[in-house]
Amino acid sequence: DIQMTQSPSSLSASVGDRVTITCRASQSIISYLNWYQQKPGKAPKLLIYAASSLQSGVPARFSGSGSGTDFTLTISSLQPEDFATYYCQQSYSTTRSFGQGTKVEIK
Amino acid sequence: QVQLQESGPGLVKSSETLSLTCTVSSGSIKSYYWSWIRQPPGKGLEWIGYIYYSGSTNYNPSLRSRVTISIDTSKKQVSLKLTSVTAADTAVYYCARDYGPDRFDIWGQGTMVTVSS
Repeated sequence: DIQMTQSPSSLSASVGDRVTITCRASQSIISYLNWYQQKPGKAPKLLIYAASSLQSGVPARFSGSGSGTDFTLTISSLQPEDFATYYCQQSYSTTRSFGQGTKVEIK
Repeated sequence: QVQLQESGPGLVKSSETLSLTCTVSSGSIKSYYWSWIRQPPGKGLEWIGYIYYSGSTNYNPSLRSRVTISIDTSKKQVSLKLTSVTAADTAVYYCARDYGPDRFDIWGQGTMVTVSS
């Protein structure tokens, strides 16, 4: 199985900050990497697919990069509605797997 | 826009079988893969398995011996059965469209299932 490791597990940031979350795969997954946002009591929402493609309707302040084993989700200017937990997920393997999540909290 | 709605018992006794249904509305069930994903309280996401509209399936090896996912295209429903449940199976269960299949682009609201002893 492919293990996905996110860092940090949590972070505190202020509105307007640039935020970066990292996801590392235990083996190369090429660009089969997706990012999701989850707010308390809600289902996850797809933000980025194929490492860097923005899902329709998602604000342009979200961006993704990386390939192989190392990937990054960047929020260019954090907004109040962005405080949530973010998950990466690989789809290279037919056995899908998620990272453990990164909680973005208000400083 | 496609919408997904999970339904089923919120409480299941230990050692029994958990059964859930996901109903697809306002869109087609055909030509897509459909996954079940769960999230224990306060924890991360775990993929359970998927089914193609043709009926082919793929399960997480960690759950394979206990999981069955089926599909009824006429009713536009995807079902999940998980046998011999324990407290570790207590979670919110989501169904999601596995577009591609390489990304979960549409999710249901989720349904909480508690396993009681």
